[in-house]
Amino acid sequence: GAGVSQSPRYKVAKRGQDVALRCDPISGHVSLFWYQQALGQGPEFLTYFQNEAQLDKSGLPSDRFFAERPEGSVSTLKIQRTQQEDSAVYLCASSPVAGGHQDTQYFGPGTRLTVL
Amino acid sequence: AQTVTQSQPEMSVQEAETVTLSCTYDTSESNYYLFWYKQPPSRQMILVIRQEAYKQQNATENRFSVNFQKAAKSFSLKISDSQLGDTAMYFCAFIPTAGNNRKLIWGLGTSLAVNP
Repeated sequence: GAGVSQSPRYKVAKRGQDVALRCDPISGHVSLFWYQQALGQGPEFLTYFQNEAQLDKSGLPSDRFFAERPEGSVSTLKIQRTQQEDSAVYLCASSPVAGGHQDTQYFGPGTRLTVL
Repeated sequence: AQTVTQSQPEMSVQEAETVTLSCTYDTSESNYYLFWYKQPPSRQMILVIRQEAYKQQNATENRFSVNFQKAAKSFSLKISDSQLGDTAMYFCAFIPTAGNNRKLIWGLGTSLAVNP
């Protein structure tokens, strides 16, 4: 079946612009995660959804970052008034349910955001 | 605090040889899952292998195997018969099973180059 997809794959924004990044998880997957990966670094957790409920948003760096998953499927990560330090690859991952083998997270290709 | 340490930022190996990537972690949890993910230059994060902490038997997946030492909190990855396609960043990560939080705790990664 289809894997996790993300769009756009690349986004260039001018400082101060708002951006919206989309994630389509694997069909039927309950859990959805957003990570931020700076160049040469490991992923950093941003936020986590179980169905439409946002259970953890402790990793969102500021109130300019907002994520939603209104119908428990597709998710959007929105960044308002982008800053240069927001430049990174944004990874989305999904997993079937919590617990056991279902805890394995499957990743999308990422969206590379460059803020000029 | 829960942390993952990968002490080898870069490694190289000759094609067809064996290489071991190290990972140590720190957690007060008794039950958790451990993962090795691979991220080739194309940046798609791919699961290599996973290990349940309650299982003493080391996980294997074709040419990939782990040496899991729970008391030492060590989780190394062995790649046998290295292939050029194994060139990638390798990340060690874990998820505690307690609670609702399913976020992965990541190491900084090891960049592996397989040389012809």
